[in-house]
Amino acid sequence: GQQVMQIPQYQHVQEGEDFTTYCNSSTTLSNIQWYKQRPGGHPVFLIQLVKSGEVKKQKRLTFQFGEAKKNSSLHITATQTTDVGTYFCAGPSSNTGKLIFGQGTTLQVKP
Amino acid sequence: SQTIHQWPATLVQPVGSPLSLECTVEGTSNPNLYWYRQAAGRGLQLLFYSVGIGQISSEVPQNLSASRPQDRQFILSSKKLLLSDSGFYLCAWSSGPRGEQYFGPGTRLTVT
Repeated sequence: GQQVMQIPQYQHVQEGEDFTTYCNSSTTLSNIQWYKQRPGGHPVFLIQLVKSGEVKKQKRLTFQFGEAKKNSSLHITATQTTDVGTYFCAGPSSNTGKLIFGQGTTLQVKP
Repeated sequence: SQTIHQWPATLVQPVGSPLSLECTVEGTSNPNLYWYRQAAGRGLQLLFYSVGIGQISSEVPQNLSASRPQDRQFILSSKKLLLSDSGFYLCAWSSGPRGEQYFGPGTRLTVT
């Protein structure tokens, strides 16, 4: 079946370093969504990308949708301790339309 | 604005006891509703989703069931809990199957 994979599973960085997580789908996606889950909290929707090659920014976060609409990335510039959490990507199933979530990348930031 | 409520926030139940978790959404009509389970440090496992009153689709065979008695109410139930049912249960809604999902605060269930 259709899969959405994320790498890395875990990432430890020093505060101020950059961070990138990658999301890859086995099939073309109509859109890609990103969520953030703080420790002990629930996933919160961050952004949705729809167009091939689309790039969107939210302050220090840069989201990119690949040209083939099968991969995406989230890049955080100069991480802060508030960036700690698990970042999930998700894309609609080509068969059912339901969202398929990646397994997430957990970011730890050392002050 | 739309809000989603879940209760209780935490729950400790013995093995073999029944379960009922409730989720309600305010500020929207005919939402798609979802129940997820998340094991500690793991990803999101979709358990059930519903596109309308009385319409439930099960993703994973298990001893859990879901019901949608009203448009904005989604209930997760079990007749007899297992140890493996422990986890973080999240309810979510979306305006359509491909749209962004908004999650409730979740219920942490520990089965002892």
